[in-house]
Amino acid sequence: NAGVTQTPKFQVLKTGQSMTLQCAQDMNHNSMYWYRQDPGMGLRLIYYSASEGTTDKGEVPNGYNVSRLNKREFSLRLESAAPSQTSVYFCASSPRRNTYSNQPQHFGDGTRLSIL
Amino acid sequence: DQQVKQNSPSLSVQEGRISILNCDYTNSMFDYFLWYKKYPAEGPTFLISISSIKDKNEDGRFTVFLNKSAKHLSLHIVPSQPGDSAVYFCAAKGSGGSNYKLTFGKGTLLTVNP
Repeated sequence: NAGVTQTPKFQVLKTGQSMTLQCAQDMNHNSMYWYRQDPGMGLRLIYYSASEGTTDKGEVPNGYNVSRLNKREFSLRLESAAPSQTSVYFCASSPRRNTYSNQPQHFGDGTRLSIL
Repeated sequence: DQQVKQNSPSLSVQEGRISILNCDYTNSMFDYFLWYKKYPAEGPTFLISISSIKDKNEDGRFTVFLNKSAKHLSLHIVPSQPGDSAVYFCAAKGSGGSNYKLTFGKGTLLTVNP
């Protein structure tokens, strides 16, 4: 009963290093999302993938890239990490919205990333 | 420009009493609203939702009220329990082309004292 799994759980990087955060879901959901949460802030959407093969920018996409590898997996890449990207990153998934119902997003437990 | 606002960063209540968490929104295109609960070091967990065609939705101890004219929703927890102590996020989703994206408030830390 895993739901949404994120790896790693913790990571420390130096400024300028690159890293990929992994996310996988086993609920056969079509849509996947990456958020960041900073102290005193709500969750802010970085990128999302409405369905396999598509990705779109969210509210704060600068400095990030994403790959929807297949229906299960959605990765987030920092090409050149900056201290401003120190945050907790959450991946989420949801079924595609249909006309007659809304479905909540289901979240992983997060990746805590520190950039020195 | 914050579209979903939770103006109370924290709330403290006694066990057994009612907890009322408030949320205001500015975007009239929002048509679906959710509350998430978050414990430290865990991801947010879906709690309860409401569609804009309703004004109330109840699930056990949790009730969400929606006042569309005031662009206001609230979460009532009755009776409150110490295990309810967590950060509560209000979120909203729009219709049309942006119907996949959730906009979150900053959260309210609820502390239920035994």
